[in-house]
Amino acid sequence: SQQGEEDPQALSIQEGENATMNCSYKTSINNLQWYRQNSGRGLVHLILIRSNEREKHSGRLRVTLDTSKKSSSLLITASRAADTASYFCATARGGANSKLTFGKGITLSVRP
Amino acid sequence: GAVVSQHPSWVICKSGTSVKIECRSLDFQATTMFWYRQFPKQSLMLMATSNEGSKATYEQGVEKDKFLINHASLTLSTLTVTSAHPEDSSFYICSARAPTEGTYEQYFGPGTRLTVT
Repeated sequence: SQQGEEDPQALSIQEGENATMNCSYKTSINNLQWYRQNSGRGLVHLILIRSNEREKHSGRLRVTLDTSKKSSSLLITASRAADTASYFCATARGGANSKLTFGKGITLSVRP
Repeated sequence: GAVVSQHPSWVICKSGTSVKIECRSLDFQATTMFWYRQFPKQSLMLMATSNEGSKATYEQGVEKDKFLINHASLTLSTLTVTSAHPEDSSFYICSARAPTEGTYEQYFGPGTRLTVT
């Protein structure tokens, strides 16, 4: 069953602008991860944030996590046409056999 | 970095036949592997979780007799779609997990597109 719910479902921006994507979830988690998927391809892991962390950076990516609101945001700064892809958040409840539950995904289009 | 491969990358088969998809972790030992399916413009739906040497755990609604999973070694898991039908046409993605510093990151394969005619 789906847990993460991203919004917006589709986002179109101009190259150079920032893109903000949000994800909400319903149950307690151990960590939340963001993935990118180019059309017809596998998933690329972008960043993982643990439940005891509030913010994390990786290059042009900034992820925040608010466990009280059960939400996370992914910010891509200075977007590039190559950032065009689908983005998914996924939550894990923890433990060795913990499985990821994916949200529906956000389609990001960056216009050159 | 950790690499997961899938073979084949795409396959077309006739209705009623069986298809086997392989998932390999190339440079690490995967204690757990996961199989997902993804319909166009939709999210990934977990089908089953497999641990090396034991039976797979299937998600609710996934027919275990139709989607046979074998995790024979720490680097190989296979998914066999038996008696395939057109509605089984989908993008199948595997992922492998290697416990790393307790975060249990998953590494995804590139996916296999199955088309059943």
